[in-house]
Amino acid sequence: GAGVSQSPSNKVTEKGKDVELRCDPISGHTALYWYRQSLGQGLEFLIYFQGNSAPDKSGLPSDRFSAERTGGSVSTLTIQRTQQEDSAVYLCASSFRDREIYGYTFGSGTRLTVV
Amino acid sequence: AQSVTQLGSHVSVSEGALVLLRCNYSSSVPPYLFWYVQYPNQGLQLLLKYTSAATLVKGINGFEAEFKKSETSFHLTKPSAHMSDAAEYFCAVSEPGGGADGLTFGKGTHLIIQP
Repeated sequence: GAGVSQSPSNKVTEKGKDVELRCDPISGHTALYWYRQSLGQGLEFLIYFQGNSAPDKSGLPSDRFSAERTGGSVSTLTIQRTQQEDSAVYLCASSFRDREIYGYTFGSGTRLTVV
Repeated sequence: AQSVTQLGSHVSVSEGALVLLRCNYSSSVPPYLFWYVQYPNQGLQLLLKYTSAATLVKGINGFEAEFKKSETSFHLTKPSAHMSDAAEYFCAVSEPGGGADGLTFGKGTHLIIQP
C-alpha cells in the first residue's frame, strides 16, 4: 500500500481480555517496528522485525505481550489479559533495511483503552 | 547506547516568531538524527534527517536543523511560526549499524502557537 496501515484505529476493551493489533507495512519494507506511546512518556520501543524474524524482543514490557510477522508483511501485536496500564497508542513503523538512512514511515496508530 | 534529551516538554511562541526546539543526543558513534512531527490523532511524519552529509539540514514546512558535533545538538528551527505548526515534535537518534534497537526518541516537545 501507499502507507503504513494500522487497525483498528481505536479499541476499547475490558480488563483481562486479549486484544490483537494489526500493522500492514509499506510494500517492500523489510523492517517493521512497534512502539508504544503513553501520555507524557514519549515513544517506547517494543519490538523490531527484519523479515519475519524478531532479533530483539527485550523491549516487550511483559510476557503478556507478543508479536509475530508473517510473509515478511503484516504484523500482529497481541496483548493477553489486558491491564489498565496497557492503555496507550500503539504505533507501527516500517522502513527499508538500511533504516538509518531513510528513517521510518509510521502508521496512524491504534488507541487502546482498557476499562 | 544512544539517548536523546529534548529540553522543554512545552514551548509557546507567537505566530510569526522564531521557533526553536532543542535536542541533545548521546551516542558512542557519529549518529543519524531525525526530527518527526505528530499532529493530533495522527502518526509521526518525518520532518528532516541528518545522515552525515551537510550539517545544516532543510526539511518540510520551512523547518531546518543544524548538527553541531561539539555541542552534541540537533536543534530544530523555523524563522516564522504559523498556526499550523502547532503539534508534537520528536527528536530521534540512530547509530549506523546499531542493530535491532531502532530509533531512540526523545520525550517530545509540544509546540503551542499563540495568535
